[in-house]
Amino acid sequence: QVQLVESGGGVVQPGRSLRLSCAASGFTFSKFAMHWVRQAPGKGLEWVAGISYDGSNTYDAVSVKGRFTIYRDTSKNTLSLHMNSLRPEDTAIYYCARGSGTRSLNFDYWGQGTLVTVSS
Amino acid sequence: DIQMTQSPSSLSASVGDRVTITCRASQSISSYLNWYQQKSGKAPKLLIYAASTLQSEVPSRFSGSGSGTDFTLTISSLQPDDFATYYCQQSYITPPWTFGQGTKVEIK
Repeated sequence: QVQLVESGGGVVQPGRSLRLSCAASGFTFSKFAMHWVRQAPGKGLEWVAGISYDGSNTYDAVSVKGRFTIYRDTSKNTLSLHMNSLRPEDTAIYYCARGSGTRSLNFDYWGQGTLVTVSS
Repeated sequence: DIQMTQSPSSLSASVGDRVTITCRASQSISSYLNWYQQKSGKAPKLLIYAASTLQSEVPSRFSGSGSGTDFTLTISSLQPDDFATYYCQQSYITPPWTFGQGTKVEIK
């Protein structure tokens, strides 16, 4: 069965960096686009970044542009998010999600999430 | 960016009630609209994609409709397991992919 397991969250000071990872299993990782979606405490969902199935294209939200980088390692079936210059407003649960669908891009499988807290 | 607005933000309903949640896009998005259910402390779960197609293993009491700018999610007979927050999400052409603010369905 499809499994996505995030790791790497924690407490970090403003301005510092953090790298999140997502281990994928149960499907052919190289055939699917992958995404990061976050949820601030008590708030709604915000798409953060996405990467095409082959890694040739990446996309990110304006709120993280120039600070966050998404990448994938197909040999290890791993998705990563490198976060620089972290701000308090980046505090959230970060979910890894598989992109699917040809009629409407959707997130059909999600990990359990990893909490990132940016605080001094 | 395309803005997604859900209504209501919350509702109270009883088991067996018919529940309807609406989602409006700031511009036409054809049928590029998905619905998710999120229970407290859990990851979201895909319910409906392309406005009206039920995801595998999702109960048939859930249905979606609409196109263009106005969409609805309907639960035909609310069950205890359905108390959760529901989000719409658009995927029209290019990112950013945006979500509605959510609708919390509570027990009456």
